[in-house]
Amino acid sequence: QVRLQESGPGLVKPSETLSLTCIVAGGSISSASYYWGWIRQPPGKGLEWIGSVYFSGTTHYNPSLKSRVTVSLDTSKNQFSLKVNSVTATDTAIYYCARMTVDYWGDWGQGTQVTVSS
Amino acid sequence: SYTLTQSPSVSVAPGQTATITCGGDDFEDKNVHWYQVRPGRAPVLVVYDDDDRPSGIPERFSGSNSGKMATLTITRVEAGDEADYFCQVWDARGDLHVLFGGGTKLTVL
Repeated sequence: QVRLQESGPGLVKPSETLSLTCIVAGGSISSASYYWGWIRQPPGKGLEWIGSVYFSGTTHYNPSLKSRVTVSLDTSKNQFSLKVNSVTATDTAIYYCARMTVDYWGDWGQGTQVTVSS
Repeated sequence: SYTLTQSPSVSVAPGQTATITCGGDDFEDKNVHWYQVRPGRAPVLVVYDDDDRPSGIPERFSGSNSGKMATLTITRVEAGDEADYFCQVWDARGDLHVLFGGGTKLTVL
């Protein structure tokens, strides 16, 4: 059973960079069977896909966030990460990391609250 | 752009059946998936590929896809089913590959 756990600062200042890591246990991020990705939920709103990365390093991003987002793998640590540049209050959300099988998200982390505020 | 439409809320009494719908175009060409999101918990996949259930999900949860509308049905609703439910598709044609519906809040009266 794969387990995913998000880690990173809970508070980020406006205009700075949000950085989160997803630690994966019980499964290899080098597997060709899955994509790994990030999804967020702003307060009172729905789920929003941010971006995904494949074991090869191929990435796909939500067009509305693409200019500010980077998702990358660290195979040596079996983890992947998210960076969002130039954050504003609208980036305040619960951030989830997840594993995609074919075209659905079968495994999720618990989520981590990130607040953008000075 | 491609969108998925869900009703904002559904309310049912315990023991009754909850029906949550997700509207979109060309559903006959897509697999629809459903997630349960409860506060403070990891989201849970409850139905995938229109009508399949992951292991560990009760048989009370079922899905269907008519081509224009996908439906999540929860029979014998329990208090613990109270949550937000989101539908999701993969849209290979556009740049927004992973698309979620706006979510439906299920309230158990």
